Amino acid sequence: GENVEQHPSTLSVQEGDSAVIKCTYSDSASNYFPWYKQELGKRPQLIIDIRSNVGEKKDQRIAVTLNKTAKHFSLHITETQPEDSAVYFCAAGPNDYKLSFGAGTTVTVRA
Amino acid sequence: DTAVSQTPKYLVTQMGNDKSIKCEQNLGHDTMYWYKQDSKKFLKIMFSYNNKELIINETVPNRFSPKSPDKAHLNLHINSLELGDSAVYFCASLGPQETQYFGPGTRLLVL
Repeated sequence: GENVEQHPSTLSVQEGDSAVIKCTYSDSASNYFPWYKQELGKRPQLIIDIRSNVGEKKDQRIAVTLNKTAKHFSLHITETQPEDSAVYFCAAGPNDYKLSFGAGTTVTVRA
Repeated sequence: DTAVSQTPKYLVTQMGNDKSIKCEQNLGHDTMYWYKQDSKKFLKIMFSYNNKELIINETVPNRFSPKSPDKAHLNLHINSLELGDSAVYFCASLGPQETQYFGPGTRLLVL
């Protein structure tokens, strides 16, 4: 099955700086790579996703890159703000309806 | 923001009891999931149903039994609750483009 590894597990950045989270996956058949943001006490919510036919996608201050050859993908947040503080999960799939999630990265933006 | 709803939101109970968590989605999706999120925030898939049929059944104790009376509902019944069952349980449904929509979560505390 798919195995997704996510790094770092915690990330502290100064407000205004950039944050980068990296994930690797094992199954070359995976073709969908979403990122979810989970604020404290809330549900995970999709913030951006990328498919295997695209190398990069951007939505305002967030961007995701995908390297299918190396089987890794990354989330980039620029000009971080306090409201970016949350747990971020990467995922890969689908494999028979199943998304495999990374272990999460707790991002703290210091004012 | 009630596309995927869960009840109850909080559940505090004694070891050995039996309890149920209910999930409903009004998005017309065919596939629904149950996830367990432990204290380390890891999202672990438990079950998935597609049109009332079980399609994913991860290694979960058989004290956990999902039931899908129709494709809009996926309930989770837990027998003989144990301390280690304390966690947040999220229901999710699968939309087009593989996006998963999570419910608000049920915070279960077993004493």
